[in-house]
Amino acid sequence: DQQVKQNSPSLSVQEGRISILNCDYTNSMFDYFLWYKKYPAEGPTFLISISSIKDKNEDGRFTVFLNKSAKHLSLHIVPSQPGDSAVYFCAASGAGAGSYQLTFGKGTKLSVIP
Amino acid sequence: GAGVSQSPRYKVAKRGQDVALRCDPISGHVSLFWYQQALGQGPEFLTYFQNEAQLDKSGLPSDRFFAERPEGSVSTLKIQRTQQEDSAVYLCASSTGTETQYFGPGTRLLVL
Repeated sequence: DQQVKQNSPSLSVQEGRISILNCDYTNSMFDYFLWYKKYPAEGPTFLISISSIKDKNEDGRFTVFLNKSAKHLSLHIVPSQPGDSAVYFCAASGAGAGSYQLTFGKGTKLSVIP
Repeated sequence: GAGVSQSPRYKVAKRGQDVALRCDPISGHVSLFWYQQALGQGPEFLTYFQNEAQLDKSGLPSDRFFAERPEGSVSTLKIQRTQQEDSAVYLCASSTGTETQYFGPGTRLLVL
């Protein structure tokens, strides 16, 4: 049973436009959410995070939105750049015992077209 | 500063061989994690250390998997009698606490 779901395996966006990556979760005990970016043959790189006490966190071109009632979060990238092409993983933690464990989605491959 | 490093980056093993994967965490990070990432999947938790203490090994798939961090810094993940289903990328992460974890490049293990 997947507790973190990224339902779009891939996404293509034109350079300069907005990229929106979505993530849903089922475990209401999660209280910390992260986005990681991964290039081929490299480890995941931390991008941005959000605590459940907030509904928005912004860092430069990256903004994460959290809707707790819908158990949904999204990552917005504006404007998208070709270097943003990578696999993006949504992760969550804070589910009681084992709260340090990160539970990941399967990832969304973003392609930014020049 | 230096990030998390892992070695070897690639390892090919014959079925039945033992392998040892090394992780050097970011200096000063007390928490260290191991994850396994199968092809097309997200990373899955294996085990967690706080300093030298292994506080959680619930994600280790079998008793052939063993992890240690004897001096609270470098960690080794050992897999005994490797099997084909052990083929995956093994990721190490470290953090100052338990929230944001910083990952190494991973070791890609292929068992033939």
